[in-house]
Amino acid sequence: DGGITQSPKYLFRKEGQNVTLSCEQNLNHDAMYWYRQDPGQGLRLIYYSQIVNDFQKGDIAEGYSVSREKKESFPLTVTSAQKNPTAFYLCASSRQNRGTDTQYFGPGTRLTVL
Amino acid sequence: EDKVVQSPLSLVVHEGDTVTLNCSYEVTNFRSLLWYKQEKKAPTFLFMLTSSGIEKKSGRLSSILDKKELFSILNITATQTGDSAVYLCAGITQGGSEKLVFGKGTKLTVNP
Repeated sequence: DGGITQSPKYLFRKEGQNVTLSCEQNLNHDAMYWYRQDPGQGLRLIYYSQIVNDFQKGDIAEGYSVSREKKESFPLTVTSAQKNPTAFYLCASSRQNRGTDTQYFGPGTRLTVL
Repeated sequence: EDKVVQSPLSLVVHEGDTVTLNCSYEVTNFRSLLWYKQEKKAPTFLFMLTSSGIEKKSGRLSSILDKKELFSILNITATQTGDSAVYLCAGITQGGSEKLVFGKGTKLTVNP
């Protein structure tokens, strides 16, 4: 099946620990994105990548880091510098990043920091 | 600053009602507008609107974009309980840093 997978579905971490969220796609999409969603809020862009080995900060990149070593994979690390990391994290991909391509979303990871 | 504003933030209707969800946008170098339906997890794609005045339809759902007024609506006719969800609107910028700017969503509850 083609699609975007995120793992794990639920993640619990203690305050001060770094944690890495996985995002994999087999759609052969060039562009990948990470969003954060808080209750009652829309999605906010954390980072995005248009091509392998390149990525750009979104609106709320502070306290997060990403890598794009492979086309299929775009992991997100939530560092201890992120002041309020508990949220629902969504990964998305699109064929390209030209403004005309629909983004398709993975199932999400709900991160809870204790 | 780019922003997308959706209204109402929540809406409760009875099965069979028709609803209209609103989305206004101020997005730099606007290219297209997307509507998504989010139930429990990932948003699922509904419509992409690029041209003004052309209605897109999918079953009981339809949507239209007004690029002069910077506005879009999503209509759902003969609502069903399965339509209960959060409906997200997002504007796409074009240019060197294309990205989506999302509204906060409209939470629709359809009661039997």
